[in-house]
Amino acid sequence: EVQLVESGGGLVKPGGYLRLSCAASGFTFSSYSMNWVRQAPGKGLEWVSSISSTSSYIYYADSVKGRFTISRDNAKNSLFLQMNSLRAEDTAVYYCARYNNAFDYWGQGTLVTVSS
Amino acid sequence: DIQMTQSPSTLSASVGDRVTITCRASQSISNWLAWYQQKPGKAPNLLIYKASSLESGVPSRFSGSGSGTEFTLTISSLQPDDFATYYCQQYNSYSTTFGQGTKLEIK
Repeated sequence: EVQLVESGGGLVKPGGYLRLSCAASGFTFSSYSMNWVRQAPGKGLEWVSSISSTSSYIYYADSVKGRFTISRDNAKNSLFLQMNSLRAEDTAVYYCARYNNAFDYWGQGTLVTVSS
Repeated sequence: DIQMTQSPSTLSASVGDRVTITCRASQSISNWLAWYQQKPGKAPNLLIYKASSLESGVPSRFSGSGSGTEFTLTISSLQPDDFATYYCQQYNSYSTTFGQGTKLEIK
């Protein structure tokens, strides 16, 4: 069974940082591109970042470019999102999602709250 | 970036109704379009990919159509479990974008 489990969310002050993790199981993690998608409270879905299977290709939404860094460790079946210089507008549930004919599996999400 | 516009934003319908949700892209995306269902407090669930391909395990009352810039999601006969929010997504470019969502409510 495919599982994606996010962790690392929490309350952080503006200007602070957090590192999110996504633990994958039930599939060959190293064969798939992975993504982070976020959803602000009561709002729609916003793609954040993507990384190819071998980390050769990395992309970011303009809203996070220069502040967030996506990475992966295929040996540990893990995806990461380093979030620096956090702003109030980064407050959201962050989901990791596998790309395979669109985003076919999603984690349950981890809440990031940026507030003083 | 490619913009995705869904209509309507809210749809009221009854069990057994046939409903259609529309998604328009700001430029051609061929058939690189997906549809998701999301229930409160849950992650989105993939329903349709490549505009018209039904994801494994998704009931056949869901169908998708379209290409280029105009797409539709149709639910042939609404069931109580179908009341949720639906999102379209284009993945024609590396910078994927979602529609703003359509909330399907019980009439």
